[in-house]
Amino acid sequence: DTGVSQNPRHKITKRGQNVTFRCDPISEHNRLYWYRQTLGQGPEFLTYFQNEAQLEKSRLLSDRFSAERPKGSFSTLEIQRTEQGDSAMYLCASSLVLGRGYGYTFGSGTRLTVV
Amino acid sequence: AQSVTQLDSQVPVFEEAPVELRCNYSSSVSVYLFWYVQYPNQGLQLLLKYLSGSTLVESINGFEAEFNKSQTSFHLRKPSVHISDTAEYFCAVDYGQNFVFGPGTRLSVLP
Repeated sequence: DTGVSQNPRHKITKRGQNVTFRCDPISEHNRLYWYRQTLGQGPEFLTYFQNEAQLEKSRLLSDRFSAERPKGSFSTLEIQRTEQGDSAMYLCASSLVLGRGYGYTFGSGTRLTVV
Repeated sequence: AQSVTQLDSQVPVFEEAPVELRCNYSSSVSVYLFWYVQYPNQGLQLLLKYLSGSTLVESINGFEAEFNKSQTSFHLRKPSVHISDTAEYFCAVDYGQNFVFGPGTRLSVLP
């Protein structure tokens, strides 16, 4: 197992375009999280899945954002009609649900630049 | 509201000097505490965590953190830093319903 994998590592897009990121979690982890991190800030929670069910969404996740985890394995995060304010590092993490305290395993992130 | 505070946004320190990175959190009945490290252009890596038991926890690379319930703190320390410790350090708290990160402290180790 190579950990949590995110693709692409970098994405530059023009304002108004749609972008999609992919996250492959650790295979035995049933929870998957998306976070956004802007320069000089800690990660901010966006949404999470338990298996294929999306259980919580932050108010940061506007209607231009959508996340899916169709088979409870990999997940995609799509941003429609990108804006310059969407420029950030998008981090994916996964964990086991055996109880609290296990922490999260993070991927290397996808850095989005909207020009 | 549940929040995590890291008062020092940047900490410059000379190599082989000791360092302390401060973390305070809003109180709750039951919390689990974590420190993550982020090297440039990389994701976050778990450095150490406190779940229960001894209030002093250690990592494999010489960092330690002490849980202080009365002061709601979980400060990170290292007695002698190396150049390779230069990174961003994030304190995080598992409140049960939410996993909240602090804003981070950038540790710069100077030769």
